[in-house]
Amino acid sequence: DADVTQTPRNRITKTGKRIMLECSQTKGHDRMYWYRQDPGLGLRLIYYSFDVKDINKGEISDGYSVSRQAQAKFSLSLESAIPNQTALYFCATSELTSGDQETQYFGPGTRLLVL
Amino acid sequence: AQSVTQLDSQVPVFEEAPVELRCNYSSSVSVYLFWYVQYPNQGLQLLLKYLSGSTLVKGINGFEAEFNKSQTSFHLRKPSVHISDTAEYFCAVSVGNTDKLIFGTGTRLQVFP
Repeated sequence: DADVTQTPRNRITKTGKRIMLECSQTKGHDRMYWYRQDPGLGLRLIYYSFDVKDINKGEISDGYSVSRQAQAKFSLSLESAIPNQTALYFCATSELTSGDQETQYFGPGTRLLVL
Repeated sequence: AQSVTQLDSQVPVFEEAPVELRCNYSSSVSVYLFWYVQYPNQGLQLLLKYLSGSTLVKGINGFEAEFNKSQTSFHLRKPSVHISDTAEYFCAVSVGNTDKLIFGTGTRLQVFP
């Protein structure tokens, strides 16, 4: 079973709709992240959470919100989707330890198309 | 502010040829450096990382990278590529213990038979 799962894997929605992307992990990590990937731009950080009570904005948080429902779950919401939010979205987890510092583990991605 | 530059957006190469994917970073403090690989229709997975110690880092699938502090570079190399190495490769940097990664824009490696 995958350690980091994302649902849905693909989604098409219309402008103005609310949509939620979900991420679950079985790695027991405290830290979780949401990125978006656009061609030619690499990955950009949207939000990150270092534990259930800690939520932080990343580089491009406008138009997005997140919820850390439990250590294992971190969801990303688009309150009112717009076409330029069409992208590939990745969830990632990490745990800061001396043996595996800073390594992030990525989910398979959610491909979102906003019409 | 930290940044990562991957100088080549695409690198075409024939099978069994050597390859180097370039990565330069800018930071005024010590950094940790990573290379991630993304195979078609998959998420990212870690190839290798430099935290401290030896500047030559060996990763999975025969890849290695060398940290060069004076040139602020962390180029990825493989002496003989395989068709299965066709993927997008991302260089990333994190600063101190912030646990936040800054990614480069990626280099698409395409290996031809």
